Amino acid sequence: GAVVSQHPSWVICKSGTSVKIECRSLDFQATTMFWYRQFPKQSLMLMATSNEGSKATYEQGVEKDKFLINHASLTLSTLTVTSAHPEDSSFYICSAGPGRNQETQYFGPGTRLLVL
Amino acid sequence: DAKTTQPTSMDCAEGRAANLPCNHSTISGNEYVYWYRQIHSQGPQYIIHGLKNNETNEMASLIITEDRKSSTLILPHATLRDTAVYYCIVRIRRGGSNYKLTFGKGTLLTVNP
Repeated sequence: GAVVSQHPSWVICKSGTSVKIECRSLDFQATTMFWYRQFPKQSLMLMATSNEGSKATYEQGVEKDKFLINHASLTLSTLTVTSAHPEDSSFYICSAGPGRNQETQYFGPGTRLLVL
Repeated sequence: DAKTTQPTSMDCAEGRAANLPCNHSTISGNEYVYWYRQIHSQGPQYIIHGLKNNETNEMASLIITEDRKSSTLILPHATLRDTAVYYCIVRIRRGGSNYKLTFGKGTLLTVNP
């Protein structure tokens, strides 16, 4: 149980295009999902908290207009990188937790984005 | 928010126990200690968590000192597939039921044949 999936697993796009990444909780419902970003040889950095049915909460320094988050259902959150640039190339990872308090977070396999 | 300190790297022989230490001297009474690991190019994997009692599951054991200022993750019989970065995290409570995890640099455990 407690499986989180992401799609796609990797994507290559041209500079200026938008890329959508999906995060799904496969066997539980999650009112909250978290989006992280990880640059090479660095640790995970929380980008935003995705809340079902309401606006996402972004961490300081993360542009909300560039990283659009939609959490339209209890099992799906999407992160759209708008007008992607090479500096947005990174490993994007989501997490979600079962249970009312979502005490333990389970992570997706990650999406590697390369912007040319 | 309690922070954690972990060694940058550790080595362990295959088949031996791997003991990964973590200091969290500023932990507060209602904060849990969580351990995750990240194998290269994958999402983090949950290992174990605890509050003040020692915990054991099929993956590992977690030993928390009585004053809760430090803990040790024990992999009883390390295999090559246990080579990963291990993160010790004190879970931060942020408003209502939303909990976020703050990742440090972790410990790179290398299991050698």
